[in-house]
Order: sequence, then C-alpha cells, then structure tokens
Amino acid sequence: AQSVTQPDIHITVSEGASLELRCNYSYGATPYLFWYVQSPGQGLQLLLKYFSGDTLVQGIKGFEAEFKRSQSSFNLRKPSVHWSDAAEYFCAVGLTSGTYKYIFGTGTRLKVLA
Amino acid sequence: EAGVTQFPSHSVIEKGQTVTLRCDPISGHDNLYWYRRVMGKEIKFLLHFVKESKQDESGMPNNRFLAERTGGTYSTLKVQPAELEDSGVYFCASSSGYRGQFFGPGTRLTVL
Repeated sequence: AQSVTQPDIHITVSEGASLELRCNYSYGATPYLFWYVQSPGQGLQLLLKYFSGDTLVQGIKGFEAEFKRSQSSFNLRKPSVHWSDAAEYFCAVGLTSGTYKYIFGTGTRLKVLA
Repeated sequence: EAGVTQFPSHSVIEKGQTVTLRCDPISGHDNLYWYRRVMGKEIKFLLHFVKESKQDESGMPNNRFLAERTGGTYSTLKVQPAELEDSGVYFCASSSGYRGQFFGPGTRLTVL
C-alpha cells in the first residue's frame, strides 16, 4: 500500500539556520511528489513538485527538494530560514494513474526562534 | 484568478445534526477532490469528481457522508447525522489535469 512518512512531528530552528524536513514514501512506481505548506489560518500552498527529470527541484520561497529514488525520499531544504517560514509542512505522493489522488504524510510543524 | 473557496470556514454542530460543506473549485477545473484531516493525523483522501461524476469515493468513511457536484461546478459534502469522530478539517482541491492540485483553505468542523 502507498504511504508517506514524515518522521519529525515538530522541528525548531533558529532564524537564519538551515532546514531539512524529511519525507519517505512507499509506492510501487515512480510517484509524483509534492510539498505543501500550511500557515496558521491559511490553506495548503504548493511549495514545489516533482514529476520527472532533474531530481533537484526548486520551489517558491527559497525552498528546494531532492528526489532520491534509492532511498525513496523527497526531503525539503532551505539554506536560511526566515521567521515567516513557521508553519506546518506536508509531503504528498500523487498517484500516477487512476484518480491521481494524493497520499499525505502526517505533517511537520516548524517553529522558528528569533 | 480566484482560487478554491470553501464555505463555511468553521462549523460547530451537535452530534446528530446535519452539516453541509461547500467547495467552489477554480473555474475550468474538471477535477475536484475532497480530503479530511482529523486532529493530529494525516490528510486523507475522501473522494474525487471528474466534472459531475464520482471517479473514486473509496475514502468516504461511511454512508453518513454524501457528496455531490452540481453541473460539474461547485461541490457539496453533507454529513448526516454527524458524529463526534467527524470533527476535523475538510479540504477541497481542484485541478485541470494531474500536475498539481490547488487546495482551498479548509472547513473546520467541530461536532459536540
């Protein structure tokens, strides 16, 4: 069965520090991969997506993610975190057939210290 | 271009009552999805419409949930009667193909 694991429920970093949020998935084929962010009181905003090709994907707000097939991972990174990055981050696998529905991880809540 | 909108943003009801959630997708998007997040858990797929047809409703929890999509435009999700375990945030998303879904802000449902 398809699944997505975000092993870190909470992460706290200092402003200006680097960030890496982990995401591992289980899927029988090469999936479509997504990272979404939900700020307080807001909906889910797409940060970046991977379908094929270059395994390093650039997104909005200075985020990037790298698809590693051998590790079934799609970790999200940012070199320098800003206080406004405090939010909840969701990794998702998009099925590549049928309904193309998403399978989400449980989310990682990021806290940024001033 | 307007994004996906959902109404209401919050709803508090008593167990046994009925609630109807509404989603307006981005104009022209044939695909409409409903998801739900129960507190502390992952966001889970409920169902998928293509235009007015249900493509996949495998995630619907039980027959107390009824989703419709009138004329392939907006969609409603009715819960009747509501139970305590139905509390959570209900997200709607739409897409024109498979390359990324656009999500609405969600409806927070609290069943007392």
